[in-house]
Amino acid sequence: DGGITQSPKYLFRKEGQNVTLSCEQNLNHDAMYWYRQDPGQGLRLIYYSQIVNDFQKGDIAEGYSVSREKKESFPLTVTSAQKNPTAFYLCASKEGGRAGNQPQHFGDGTRLSIL
Amino acid sequence: GQSLEQPSEVTAVEGAIVQINCTYQTSGFYGLSWYQQHDGGAPTFLSYNALDGLEETGRFSSFLSRSDSYGYLLLQELQMKDSASYFCAVTGGFKTIFGAGTRLFVKA
Repeated sequence: DGGITQSPKYLFRKEGQNVTLSCEQNLNHDAMYWYRQDPGQGLRLIYYSQIVNDFQKGDIAEGYSVSREKKESFPLTVTSAQKNPTAFYLCASKEGGRAGNQPQHFGDGTRLSIL
Repeated sequence: GQSLEQPSEVTAVEGAIVQINCTYQTSGFYGLSWYQQHDGGAPTFLSYNALDGLEETGRFSSFLSRSDSYGYLLLQELQMKDSASYFCAVTGGFKTIFGAGTRLFVKA
């Protein structure tokens, strides 16, 4: 079945450590997104990518980095510069284009905590 | 700036009808979407409105008024499994901006 796979499901980060969250999709979607969700809050956009080898900062990109070397993969690195990384991270994808009628498909998320 | 406003919580009884409102202020607007998220789970797409009017999908309907920058999600014949958070989201260009979500509690 087509879908989005995020791993790991749970991740713990030590002080000063960079960690990378994986996101893979086999939906052949052009666009991919990373969101952060804090308890009781909505989704805030970290980074997004419309095509391979191109990505744009979202609203809260500081302390995060991404790459888009393959269409299927959009990993997110939470760097040591992100002082409050504890959150639920969601990856999404959708078919390309500006129109909104294509829904975003979400992975099951990664819950990141500080040790 | 861009912002979306929706109520933080709504409570209703099983079998009833509930309406969740959303007002938005954005630069660039292509449409209003609604997503459902159960606790600990991933958001799932419910509906999308690009034009004014009502869209119906089974027990769920969504309405948009572009002139009022307003929309709502209507849930009919509420079931216990409808207890979840509901997010409105505005698509403008390549980005989608989500509201903070409305937590729906369905009581027996």
